[in-house]
Amino acid sequence: HVHLHESGSGLVKPSETLSLTCNVSGVSITDFYWTWIRQSPGKGLEWIGYISYTGSTNYNPSLRSRVTMSSDKSKNQFYLSVTSVTAADTGIYYCAQSPRGMTTIESWGQGTLVTVSS
Amino acid sequence: DVVLTQSPLSLPVTLGQPASISCRSSQSLVYVDGNTYLTWFHQRPGQSPRRLIYKVSNRDSGVPDRFSGSGSGTDFTLRISRVEADDVGVYYCMQGSLWPRSFGQGTKVEIK
Repeated sequence: HVHLHESGSGLVKPSETLSLTCNVSGVSITDFYWTWIRQSPGKGLEWIGYISYTGSTNYNPSLRSRVTMSSDKSKNQFYLSVTSVTAADTGIYYCAQSPRGMTTIESWGQGTLVTVSS
Repeated sequence: DVVLTQSPLSLPVTLGQPASISCRSSQSLVYVDGNTYLTWFHQRPGQSPRRLIYKVSNRDSGVPDRFSGSGSGTDFTLRISRVEADDVGVYYCMQGSLWPRSFGQGTKVEIK
């Protein structure tokens, strides 16, 4: 059974970079696609992007210029970086597991709250 | 981008009665492989979403058969045959056929 756990910066200043880690246990990250989603009161659930088991990525065009995803197979972790954050980036960030092609989301982490404020 | 419109946004229900949530897509969700990748999630307060239904009508393991999904093309429905207290929360649809992936606004189910 897969378990995902997010960690990282809970409070980020405007214009700085948000960095999150998702630790995966129960399966190898080389077996699935790995997704980041965020949830804010103003915009509901928003798909940020995914990184595949080959390391290829696909980002939401609305965030593409500011988002980078990467992974470390040796640690069974994957990562999210969002640059130049504003208050609009405040929300709960979830990491999640998807099958090949990211056609659905099978498992979610518990989520981590990120607040952008000076 | 594909817009998923859920209705109603708020659904007060009586215990033991049926409930129905609609999810309409701005574009057909039939993928080139012939599958339709429409998923339903349930989010209880303070928890992360949990998948209930995938590919329109396939129930996940452990999901009660009170839950059913139907639809095709652009029009989809989640039905609860007899609402129980544990069913409260917000229900979301999500499409996995077109890029970027997108979610409906959510439907909040509460007990009358």
